[in-house]
Amino acid sequence: GESVGLHLPTLSVQEGDNSIINCAYSNSASDYFIWYKQESGKGPQFIIDIRSNMDKRQGQRVTVLLNKTVKHLSLQIAATQPGDSAVYFCAEILSNDYKLSFGAGTTVTVRA
Amino acid sequence: KAGVTQTPRYLIKTRGQQVTLSCSPISGHRSVSWYQQTPGQGLQFLFEYFSETQRNKGNFPGRFSGRQFSNSRSEMNVSTLELGDSALYLCASSPQISSGNTIYFGEGSWLTVV
Repeated sequence: GESVGLHLPTLSVQEGDNSIINCAYSNSASDYFIWYKQESGKGPQFIIDIRSNMDKRQGQRVTVLLNKTVKHLSLQIAATQPGDSAVYFCAEILSNDYKLSFGAGTTVTVRA
Repeated sequence: KAGVTQTPRYLIKTRGQQVTLSCSPISGHRSVSWYQQTPGQGLQFLFEYFSETQRNKGNFPGRFSGRQFSNSRSEMNVSTLELGDSALYLCASSPQISSGNTIYFGEGSWLTVV
């Protein structure tokens, strides 16, 4: 079946730089997307979400971009900090399926 | 406001045994879903409950079951445990599974089957 996927399994970023994490999805019926951050030994933590009728949404140091034409989702983290080191997952909600479908995750490592 | 609470946090079981995991959703949330996370398979959907009704079930064998109570608390049960059931089991809650309703996760229950 269709699923959400991430372009890169790992990303190494210099502290202070901006990070961009990418995600491709294939289900055009998805109407809601969420980015989660998961630190070692913990559950996924909500970062930011976006509805399919939006192109961009900003939070504190994070921005999510949605390109429905190419079915692409990205998470931008400004001024990456050591505390941003974690695994990041994108997830889509399939309308009326009542579930999240997750990508494989991108491990972000911040270099001091 | 308290988050999603899962108990127990860690447990070790023997093959063939059964296990029950508990989840208390955020107050006011009526949707509770369960996910299994393993290094090899990632995050896989188990089932979702809303107002005590299971609305969707993932592709798992019948050994995996769940239920939701009238206070929205939920339990999942795995019978006849296999080594491959070792995983982090995550509970998530939301007011409703729909666009714009954020889904929050608990810290999970780490199950080791030996």
